[in-house]
Amino acid sequence: AQSVTQPDIHITVSEGASLELRCNYSYGATPYLFWYVQSPGQGLQLLLKYFSGDTLVQGIKGFEAEFKRSQSSFNLRKPSVHWSDAAEYFCAVGAAWAASWVGGYQKVTFGTGTKLQVIP
Amino acid sequence: DSGVTQTPKHLITATGQRVTLRCSPRSGDLSVYWYQQSLDQGLQFLIQYYNGEERAKGNILERFSAQQFPDLHSELNLSSLELGDSALYFCASSVASDEQFFGPGTRLTVL
Repeated sequence: AQSVTQPDIHITVSEGASLELRCNYSYGATPYLFWYVQSPGQGLQLLLKYFSGDTLVQGIKGFEAEFKRSQSSFNLRKPSVHWSDAAEYFCAVGAAWAASWVGGYQKVTFGTGTKLQVIP
Repeated sequence: DSGVTQTPKHLITATGQRVTLRCSPRSGDLSVYWYQQSLDQGLQFLIQYYNGEERAKGNILERFSAQQFPDLHSELNLSSLELGDSALYFCASSVASDEQFFGPGTRLTVL
């Protein structure tokens, strides 16, 4: 069974500092990996996704993530955090074989989330 | 704005009651997913529909049911409500089996 672990429940960083949010996944085949962000009172928004190709993925809002198969990790990074980045971040894993399969079933498993607090 | 709409935004009801949550997917999206987000359980996948047909079930209770109509909107029916059903319920839609676009959610409070 696929699973996602986000070991940090809550992280606090200073504005302008760098950020790394950890994500470890468990999946028996090639995974399809996502990072979503949820601002207070909002739904989830996709930041970036990895299916294949370059293991360093660029996303929106200046975020990037690196897929490391040997470590089963997909950590999210940002070089300089802004106050507006305060939100909850979810890592998720799906089945790459089902990616872009119209009408197919794609079981996406979400991690428990990491809440990011940004201090001035 | 993801293009996915959910109504109502907030719902307050009593134990034992039944409620219906509504979701309209993005234009062109045939897949609709329902999720429950609570403080103790996190984000849990409930059920997926594709073009009117149930495609997959997750941790959905027997008291809950859903359907997707010919115009592709979906409804999630929650009955015999319990205090523990209080949560945020999200709908998401997608074209293919990858990126899901989430609605703003319906906050259900059961008193």
